[in-house]
Amino acid sequence: SYELTQPPSVSVSPGQTASITCSGDKLGDTYASWFQQKSGQSPVLVIYQNRERPSGIPERFSGSNSGNTATLTISGTQTMDEADYYCQAWDSSTAGFGGGTKLTVL
Amino acid sequence: QVQLVESGGGLVKPGGSLRLSCAASGFSFSDYYMSWIRQAPGKGLEWVSYISSIAGAKYYADSVKGRFTISRDNAKNSVHLQMNSLRAEDTAVYYCVRYIVEPPAARLDFWGQGTLVTVSS
Repeated sequence: SYELTQPPSVSVSPGQTASITCSGDKLGDTYASWFQQKSGQSPVLVIYQNRERPSGIPERFSGSNSGNTATLTISGTQTMDEADYYCQAWDSSTAGFGGGTKLTVL
Repeated sequence: QVQLVESGGGLVKPGGSLRLSCAASGFSFSDYYMSWIRQAPGKGLEWVSYISSIAGAKYYADSVKGRFTISRDNAKNSVHLQMNSLRAEDTAVYYCVRYIVEPPAARLDFWGQGTLVTVSS
């Protein structure tokens, strides 16, 4: 499966922009998804196909993917965005997840 | 609305077996692939397995290959994970997840609430 690397933690002030990266060999040649997991809850898909947002996901969530790095960007971060975020990609019919990034909004 | 409800988790001794089930509702179950993904306590997500819509294709993570078997019953809108030869490292919350495969937008789009499996003597 894909080996994906994320920073363990990212901090951001309310209203600012948060960027979470996900690195993997030639990740830009495939599609990345991002999941948000709040404490005690199941993961929720927030970005798929690198930059597409599922219905109900706020516009402040956006994504990009190029080269070896996919990036999740949260514009105008709100306190409700504090959560763990995981990137994910498929490789030869197996799925790989990044180790997760804890986003702290303070 | 889409619902995925897992059941069957619990405490089992190393070497034992457990069968997880996932009841689906709110969508045309037989049209979708389904997947199991797990999360060890305090750890990240790990993909376990997926099964195609008519069960013709099944894939497993190396960590469970030969020990776990995924199956589905489209008449009953359910998917199962038979887990044998369980190890302590299989201890995790197991999530049932709907998997949309239409290229290029393949995505794991809806997750159940999870069921906890604890492997301990």
